[in-house]
Amino acid sequence: GDSVTQMEGPVTLSEEAFLTINCTYTATGYPSLFWYVQYPGEGLQLLLKATKADDKGSNKGFEATYRKETTSFHLEKGSVQVSDSAVYFCALSNGGTSYGKLTFGQGTILTVHP
Amino acid sequence: DADVTQTPRNRITKTGKRIMLECSQTKGHDRMYWYRQDPGLGLRLIYYSFDVKDINKGEISDGYSVSRQAQAKFSLSLESAIPNQTALYFCATSDSGLTLTDTQYFGPGTRLTVL
Repeated sequence: GDSVTQMEGPVTLSEEAFLTINCTYTATGYPSLFWYVQYPGEGLQLLLKATKADDKGSNKGFEATYRKETTSFHLEKGSVQVSDSAVYFCALSNGGTSYGKLTFGQGTILTVHP
Repeated sequence: DADVTQTPRNRITKTGKRIMLECSQTKGHDRMYWYRQDPGLGLRLIYYSFDVKDINKGEISDGYSVSRQAQAKFSLSLESAIPNQTALYFCATSDSGLTLTDTQYFGPGTRLTVL
């Protein structure tokens, strides 16, 4: 079945540092890929998404590129802020019997210090 | 007002008790989902419903049941709670699912502790 693997956390950075959170997936066909973010005490919210190979999703300074050749969708941000401290989830949505359902990675905790 | 609400937000109960978690949405979406979140395991799908008459098991449905009372309401029940059901539970909704890119919208979560 489909699966998503994220880099182990937690990740701790200083403000203005560069962020990369790795995400790789296993899936048949052509899934859509997502990054969701969970701020402390809140539910998840969509951060960005990409629907086909080489698409780049972007939002709030975060970017991720759908790389089919490496089955990856790494999240990057050039300069993180304290307010970016949250848990980040990579996820995919595929067709067939899984249509419309999300498969999540295990989540990566990000802490940004001033 | 929040589009997806969950009640209660926190619940402590004892082993063997019956518990119901409720979810309501004002987004007008047909699809609703229940997930549980455990540290290091991400979110795992318990049940999902693509419309009022459609209920489907997810990857971890054992020990749980659901009821879709209306388009806007989707309840999760633990018939006889056990300690390993201690987790954070999320309800989510999405639109018709005509594409793979439909966004899911999450409620704030219910933290359940089973003693």
